[in-house]
Amino acid sequence: DQQVKQNSPSLSVQEGRISILNCDYTNSMFDYFLWYKKYPAEGPTFLISISSIKDKNEDGRFTVFLNKSAKHLSLHIVPSQPGDSAVYFCAGGLGNFGNEKLTFGTGTRLTIIP
Amino acid sequence: GAGVSQSPSNKVTEKGKDVELRCDPISGHTALYWYRQSLGQGLEFLIYFQGNSAPDKSGLPSDRFSAERTGGSVSTLTIQRTQQEDSAVYLCASSLLPRGQPQHFGDGTRLSIL
Repeated sequence: DQQVKQNSPSLSVQEGRISILNCDYTNSMFDYFLWYKKYPAEGPTFLISISSIKDKNEDGRFTVFLNKSAKHLSLHIVPSQPGDSAVYFCAGGLGNFGNEKLTFGTGTRLTIIP
Repeated sequence: GAGVSQSPSNKVTEKGKDVELRCDPISGHTALYWYRQSLGQGLEFLIYFQGNSAPDKSGLPSDRFSAERTGGSVSTLTIQRTQQEDSAVYLCASSLLPRGQPQHFGDGTRLSIL
């Protein structure tokens, strides 16, 4: 049962344009969502998060949008830069004690074309 | 260092051998997590520690897998009688409480079972 789905395994975007990465989830109990970025041979790096009570969170070039009714979130990167080329994972988290694990999607490989 | 440290970075072993993977979390982080990433897959939760106790072991694939944490700091993940399907990157993460704090990952141990 894949509770978090990233249906696009890869995405290519021209440098300077907007990158939009999408994520769908099935577990309506998730309290918060996170996006991580991963370079080869490195661990995932936290990018940005959003609480389930919000619909938008912005941090510099990164904005995450949450549509609870559609069980969908997206990460917007604008403007896209070559250093943004990486695999991006979305994850859902439950906030209750003893249930701290994150449930990850399978990732989307973003390639920024110079 | 300031980040999560994992050792070894790479481990190659023969089927049937036992392996031990080590994680040194960020100082002061009380929560510690183990995940694994198999080829082409997302991150799969294995176990979570709060201090030295493990409230959630639900992700451990079989009784060949065990983990412990001592002194509220270093954790070891042990895989006994390794099988080829155990080949994966094993990632450790730590976080502060309260819940919802982002998890910070190490660079992982790439385990290859011959």
